[in-house]
Amino acid sequence: EADIYQTPRYLVIGTGKKITLECSQTMGHDKMYWYQQDPGMELHLIHYSYGVNSTEKGDLSSESTVSRIRTEHFPLTLESARPSHTSQYLCASRPSGTRTYNEQFFGPGTRLTVL
Amino acid sequence: GNSVTQMEGPVTLSEEAFLTINCTYTATGYPSLFWYVQYPGEGLQLLLKATKADDKGSNKGFEATYRKETTSFHLEKGSVQVSDSAVYFCALSDGAGAQKLVFGQGTRLTINP
Repeated sequence: EADIYQTPRYLVIGTGKKITLECSQTMGHDKMYWYQQDPGMELHLIHYSYGVNSTEKGDLSSESTVSRIRTEHFPLTLESARPSHTSQYLCASRPSGTRTYNEQFFGPGTRLTVL
Repeated sequence: GNSVTQMEGPVTLSEEAFLTINCTYTATGYPSLFWYVQYPGEGLQLLLKATKADDKGSNKGFEATYRKETTSFHLEKGSVQVSDSAVYFCALSDGAGAQKLVFGQGTRLTINP
């Protein structure tokens, strides 16, 4: 059973607010990922991390930033939220190693609405 | 680069119907292939996977076979239930670097009683 948590599950905020979406996993996974899921369902990788103190931009440009100070924690921050940031954000993690068959485990997601 | 193409949705079936959701891929090397399912209001869950050519992944009555000659990984189920209503994503992992997953666009499945 995968243990990966995201808070909050739902967030409605006004334009210009700073927000942090939390993601934690208790599996000791080195690799972690953030995806943005648009209303059309497509998933876009926006950030990933190889491990502590490692962060990389994903395939879709995003105004958000991430940090990885502890293995289990991979928060995503928006300094100034805008309506265009309204989306579902999914966090995932993966066991260490180079085996391609290792799956990614996903959290339940945070649905963000910016008014 | 690597890519995954799924059949266009949405798909609507009656309970106990046969299901096929097509998935084809383009990749260099020898990727692993996955089907993930997303139920309403939730994150993605792994449904099944296959790691090499001719492997068959199966779970909960769903099956998919890794066909290297046709670069396909079609999802099938013999008799669907209302509880199978969800969004299904085909994905590949090429194993390079961060082992990123490349997802198809998703197929929304609705099963009517």
